[in-house]
Amino acid sequence: EAQVTQNPRYLITVTGKKLTVTCSQNMNHEYMSWYRQDPGLGLRQIYYSMNVEVTDKGDVPEGYKVSRKEKRNFPLILESPSPNQTSLYFCASRDGQGNSPLHFGNGTRLTVT
Amino acid sequence: AQSVTQLGSHVSVSEGALVLLRCNYSSSVPPYLFWYVQYPNQGLQLLLKYTTGATLVKGINGFEAEFKKSETSFHLTKPSAHMSDAAEYFCAVSDRVAGGGNKLTFGTGTQLKVEL
Repeated sequence: EAQVTQNPRYLITVTGKKLTVTCSQNMNHEYMSWYRQDPGLGLRQIYYSMNVEVTDKGDVPEGYKVSRKEKRNFPLILESPSPNQTSLYFCASRDGQGNSPLHFGNGTRLTVT
Repeated sequence: AQSVTQLGSHVSVSEGALVLLRCNYSSSVPPYLFWYVQYPNQGLQLLLKYTTGATLVKGINGFEAEFKKSETSFHLTKPSAHMSDAAEYFCAVSDRVAGGGNKLTFGTGTQLKVEL
């Protein structure tokens, strides 16, 4: 089954403790992206990747890192999480065509205390 | 930069009534347009998209949307609401950039409630 898999689904952590949210897709998609969803703000792009070893900032990249060492994986790293990063995070992927739809994972709900 | 406006963060309809969710975009060039639906505790799923050609686009679950260039709108409709349509709906736009690096910009979402 074609899917985008994120782990974990729920994560509670404390300020400053480094964490990684994993994302993997099995559709051989070139493009992958991370979004955060906050009430009243919709989805905002954090980082995206056009292909292996090619990443770029989205609208809200501060406090986040990503890497794309393999085509299927695109982990999101929070080196020193802060409470304002409490949010619902989504990973998404699509093929290289700009008019192709994004396929989304089921989300990771992160709480930073 | 692209922007998307969804009028009404909450819409409530009766079962069997018309569903109309509004979306307006700002762009000097017609973008690619999408509607996504998000059910509780799930990721977003594509409902329909407009890229080129016929301006009335049909999607899944009986939804359709019409691209109106003169009004810069892409409103989502369904003739008869069903309880299972209760969800959050997002309009999104993507500029037409060569090379596939198109950025998808989302609206703030409309929560649809369907009442008996």
